[in-house]
Amino acid sequence: DTEVTQTPKHLVMGMTNKKSLKCEQHMGHRAMYWYKQKAKKPPELMFVYSYEKLSINESVPSRFSPECPNSSLLNLHLHALQPEDSALYLCASSQDFSELFFGEGSRLTVL
Amino acid sequence: AQRVTQPEKLLSVFKGAPVELKCNYSYSGSPELFWYVQYSRQRLQLLLRHISRESIKGFTADLNKGETSFHLKKPFAQEEDSAMYYCALRGLPGGYQKVTFGIGTKLQVIP
Repeated sequence: DTEVTQTPKHLVMGMTNKKSLKCEQHMGHRAMYWYKQKAKKPPELMFVYSYEKLSINESVPSRFSPECPNSSLLNLHLHALQPEDSALYLCASSQDFSELFFGEGSRLTVL
Repeated sequence: AQRVTQPEKLLSVFKGAPVELKCNYSYSGSPELFWYVQYSRQRLQLLLRHISRESIKGFTADLNKGETSFHLKKPFAQEEDSAMYYCALRGLPGGYQKVTFGIGTKLQVIP
């Protein structure tokens, strides 16, 4: 399996909801990433996990809470989001911090 | 800080014409440079990296440290090259976990 799988593909939530985005890879990669991509903008790094430990947090608001339960899974817990948080959320993984393998993304709409 | 600049948001060329997508970077250390591509309705994927010095799908890119550039070139554009192209930088050694993307250039190959 050489893919990064993200679920759900689409998510609509209200500002008071709690939801989660999930990401899975079975390539044995030890680094996993969350990126946020707004329309017509480049991916912006949010978090990096290295060997299941959070190593980079790019000053992301606490309403986004990452979790790495094991080396294959990465979650992004969402709570009290704002409409401006609507975006495509991309998960990626890499071996030895080289090439990034991206998932297809989860498109989030906050109403 | 690491920064990637892609000066053109859109580049239109005729089929068979040469292509050059420009990328300039700013980083005080030793960078690793990449080109990622996103075809319509597909996930973001690596096209090539400067370390491997490969030619992928006829594309090449040379790292010019003097001009801090990593331009992507192809001698004869094909319709299937139409896509979004992102230049990306990984900073070595300190910023090795962080990959920064340029704003992207949309390549449109006209039949």
